[in-house]
Amino acid sequence: QKEVEQNSGPLSVPEGAIASLNCTYSDRVSQSFFWYRQYSGKSPELIMSIYSNGDKEDGRFTAQLNKASQYVSLLIRDSQPSDSATYLCAVNKLGGTSYGKLTFGQGTILTVHP
Amino acid sequence: KAGVTQTPRYLIKTRGQQVTLSCSPISGHRSVSWYQQTPGQGLQFLFEYFSETQRNKGNFPGRFSGRQFSNSRSEMNVSTLELGDSALYLCASSLEPPRYEQYFGPGTRLTVT
Repeated sequence: QKEVEQNSGPLSVPEGAIASLNCTYSDRVSQSFFWYRQYSGKSPELIMSIYSNGDKEDGRFTAQLNKASQYVSLLIRDSQPSDSATYLCAVNKLGGTSYGKLTFGQGTILTVHP
Repeated sequence: KAGVTQTPRYLIKTRGQQVTLSCSPISGHRSVSWYQQTPGQGLQFLFEYFSETQRNKGNFPGRFSGRQFSNSRSEMNVSTLELGDSALYLCASSLEPPRYEQYFGPGTRLTVT
């Protein structure tokens, strides 16, 4: 079982719709959760971080964390063609041998079509 | 604030050579992590440095090494290059724990021929 798994995609949504991206993780001691966006040929860009159960909203983005289910998701409201990218879920276990280490999922390719 | 910078942006090397990549973190960030990104393996953690000390290392052979300087700038070195080392090498910087929000540089695209 991979440490971090994302829905394989690709995910295609029409402009203006809600895009839902999902991620599960295997290690219960995971403490920090991140969503990165990566455009083709570019480096990952941090768009959301979440540390406690519940929802966190930032503009059109909402991250949801459920530690009991070991599940984190990203919702993108009013999706725009400029949101078309690969979305990477990353988790971190604080301290010890986890210093500075983010474990990434394989990414979900999102396409928003006009 | 200026973002993370990496040099060079592109490199072409031949098998057996060695390469050094450089990373300058965001001002005030003392933690620098390095990752390798390939289409097949995705993003994989190489190592992390904090205050000139390597605190963590990923599952890569000893040909991959790094260091950090007193100004938090970091370098990574790959010796005896293999074709499979062709990848995008990314560095990311962050503040001290517990906040581990990492900010990535643009990466160095290494091609080994």
